[in-house]
Amino acid sequence: GENVEQHPSTLSVQEGDSAVIKCTYSDSASNYFPWYKQELGKGPQLIIDIRSNVGEKKDQRIAVTLNKTAKHFSLHITETQPEDSAVYFCAASKTGGGADGLTFGKGTHLIIQP
Amino acid sequence: DAGITQSPRHKVTETGTPVTLRCHQTENHRYMYWYRQDPGHGLRLIHYSYGVKDTDKGEVSDGYSVSRSKTEDFLLTLESATSSQTSVYFCAISQGVRGPHGYTFGSGTRLTVV
Repeated sequence: GENVEQHPSTLSVQEGDSAVIKCTYSDSASNYFPWYKQELGKGPQLIIDIRSNVGEKKDQRIAVTLNKTAKHFSLHITETQPEDSAVYFCAASKTGGGADGLTFGKGTHLIIQP
Repeated sequence: DAGITQSPRHKVTETGTPVTLRCHQTENHRYMYWYRQDPGHGLRLIHYSYGVKDTDKGEVSDGYSVSRSKTEDFLLTLESATSSQTSVYFCAISQGVRGPHGYTFGSGTRLTVV
């Protein structure tokens, strides 16, 4: 089955700096790659996603890039703010997020230092 | 999250007892999923459903069963709870590949087996 590796497990950045979280996947048939943000005591919330026919997608301060050849994708957060502190999960799916479910990475705890 | 409710939010139960967790949605989404979240493991898929009475196993299905008799309800049952099933359980819903917003997660159920 699919295996998703996520790095780093913890990332500490100064407020205003950029943060980058990287994921690799094993199954070349995967075609849907979402990113989730989880705040303490809450369920994960979708923040951005990308499908395999697109190389990059942006939404204000966040962006995701996908390299299908290398089978890796990354989350970029610019101008980080205190409210960006959370755990971030990447995921992959062969079914576009439908049947079979998503395979998640183990998460990155992002800490924004004031 | 709006449209998806998990109950109970917290439960403590004894080893060997049966436990049922409920997920209720008001979005009329086709797909429903149960995940468990454990430190160091991220989110792992237990079971999923792709329609009423249509379910299948995920990565960590041993010791769990599910039922979906109505579109809006997806039940997760631990037939005989064990300490290894102490975890936070999340339900998620999805419209699948045609859905624009990926998964929506519930707020979770924290289950402790003593």
